[in-house]
Parts: sequence; C-alpha cells; structure tokens
Amino acid sequence: DVKVTQSSRYLVKRTGEKVFLECVQDMDHENMFWYRQDPGLGLRLIYFSYDVKMKEKGDIPEGYSVSREKKERFSLILESASTNQTSMYLCASSSENQPQHFGDGTRLSIL
Amino acid sequence: GENVEQHPSTLSVQEGDSAVIKCTYSDSASNYFPWYKQELGKRPQLIIDIRSNVGEKKDQRIAVTLNKTAKHFSLHITETQPEDSAVYFCAASKSTSGTYKYIFGTGTRLKVLA
Repeated sequence: DVKVTQSSRYLVKRTGEKVFLECVQDMDHENMFWYRQDPGLGLRLIYFSYDVKMKEKGDIPEGYSVSREKKERFSLILESASTNQTSMYLCASSSENQPQHFGDGTRLSIL
Repeated sequence: GENVEQHPSTLSVQEGDSAVIKCTYSDSASNYFPWYKQELGKRPQLIIDIRSNVGEKKDQRIAVTLNKTAKHFSLHITETQPEDSAVYFCAASKSTSGTYKYIFGTGTRLKVLA
C-alpha cells in the first residue's frame, strides 16, 4: 500500500516566518505534488516534481518554493509566510501515468 | 486557462437513492479522469477513474461515464449508504512527459440521509 507521509498534521506559524512542509513517500514514485485545499476552491496545484532536483510551477506558485533533493522527499517552502497562506496543504505522489496518492494533509495557520 | 466545473456543490439524497455528480472540462486534450472521495478530516482517496478511450466504467455501486464530444463526465452512485457521505472531487488531466497533472473540480459535498 502506498504511504505518503506529511511531517505535521497541524502547524501554527507567524507572519514573516520561513516555513517548511515535508512530504515523504515510500513507493519510489517519480512524481510528487503539492496542493492547497480551500473551501469552495477545491485542490489547487502549487508545484510538482517529476524527478530529483526537477520542479515545475503549478497554478498558484506565488509565495512558495520547493525542494526535491532525494526521490522520496518533496519539501514545500513558504519563504515569508503571510496570513493568506493559511490553508490545508496536501502532498501527493504517483508513478508514471498512474493515479496520485495523497498524504493526510497539514493544516497550516499563519498568525 | 484550463478548468473543470463541478456540479452540484452540495447534494442531499435519501439512503438507497442514487446520486449523480457532473463535471465539465475545458481542455480537449485531457485523457484521464479520476474521482476522489474525501471523508471529514481524511485524505482524498481514489474511488474510480476512466481514460479517454472508454465511455463507461463500473465498480460495484459506483460508475463513471465520459462524453468526450461534450467534454463532460459524471459519477453515479447507486443504492447510497450513510458511509457514502463525503466530499467528492473530479479531476481532468493529460499526460505530459509521463506525469498526469490534475485540474480538480471544486468538490461536491454529498449527504446521505438515513
């Protein structure tokens, strides 16, 4: 069974802080994704990666960056957190042309 | 840009009745359409998917239909049960360099009334 693990379920940070959200998958998947989920807006893609050290912008990359130094780990970085980045963040992974599997999500609050 | 419209946003049905959720996509190159179920406080989980070379797919009480000409696809749940209550998301995607990048609908909150 695919396991996608996000480092925190809940996180509270302050405006201006640098925030790291970590995601690890154990299925040797090439592709990894970061989404944010907001009521009424569904899931929106922030960034994705199809290989180590490779990244591509999704639909809402502004204010975020990512890092993929190892195949199993994909990090989402908020360089200077702002209140409008308060949201649920979901990580997903997939192998080539296969369905995405999601983690449990991190509920991030920026105060 | 590419988008997926999903309707209705909320749906209440009596236990045992059928539920239908509809999605329309804009990118005619889309060729893969998954449906995810998200229970309260849990991760989205794939419940059924369909590829563009198929018009219909069924898995027990769940079925998905695809009309490529009209660019819409639908989820059908028959004999609904209280445990079907959840938020359902559709997505449309196309393969780019071996990666399916999804465009999600905004979700449908289904309530099955006992």
